[in-house]
Amino acid sequence: ETGVTQTPRHLVMGMTNKKSLKCEQHLGHNAMYWYKQSAKKPLELMFVYSLEERVENNSVPSRFSPECPNSSHLFLHLHTLQPEDSALYLCASSQEEGNSYEQYFGPGTRLTVT
Amino acid sequence: GQNIDQPTEMTATEGAIVQINCTYQTSGFNGLFWYQQHAGEAPTFLSYNVLDGLEEKGRFSSFLSRSKGYSYLLLKELQMKDSASYLCAGLSGNTPLVFGKGTRLSVIA
Repeated sequence: ETGVTQTPRHLVMGMTNKKSLKCEQHLGHNAMYWYKQSAKKPLELMFVYSLEERVENNSVPSRFSPECPNSSHLFLHLHTLQPEDSALYLCASSQEEGNSYEQYFGPGTRLTVT
Repeated sequence: GQNIDQPTEMTATEGAIVQINCTYQTSGFNGLFWYQQHAGEAPTFLSYNVLDGLEEKGRFSSFLSRSKGYSYLLLKELQMKDSASYLCAGLSGNTPLVFGKGTRLSVIA
């Protein structure tokens, strides 16, 4: 399997549920990202992990909790979400070296919070 | 910080040429990316410019002017499958990419 994979592709959850999104990259990259994409808004960076350490957290509510157990895997744990959290959640990876930060995206998880 | 601006929507005819513009304000500029995103799919990399000038890749070309804070994506011989959103993204220093809202291109017959 190649590239960046994400599971599940679709998720419907209630506001009291706990769920996790999973991302796996097979590219040997050393950085991974979580983005949120809502309708008519730009991609919003949520979290960045470089060499398995979190280097950026863009004021994301604590109901979103990332985890990066190794350089190939990234999770986003979801708890007590709100309807406005419904969006496409995209994972990406890159190899941070020199001036090249091209990011490879996974197919995303379409999340609906009811 | 960075600010990326691009038009929201454009329409062009099959077989024609279309230019999608992007302006940016950023400090420590380190390159500009273009991504293509079809509805319901992940963004895919199209081009990366760090030096002034035009980079050509088949039907797609990307141009950068660092002094003007300006880039464009040029699509030639448009095909229906080119209907998608085109995302401009700026790289500043060692911070991750900042994306614009994207330009939704509709190719009509």
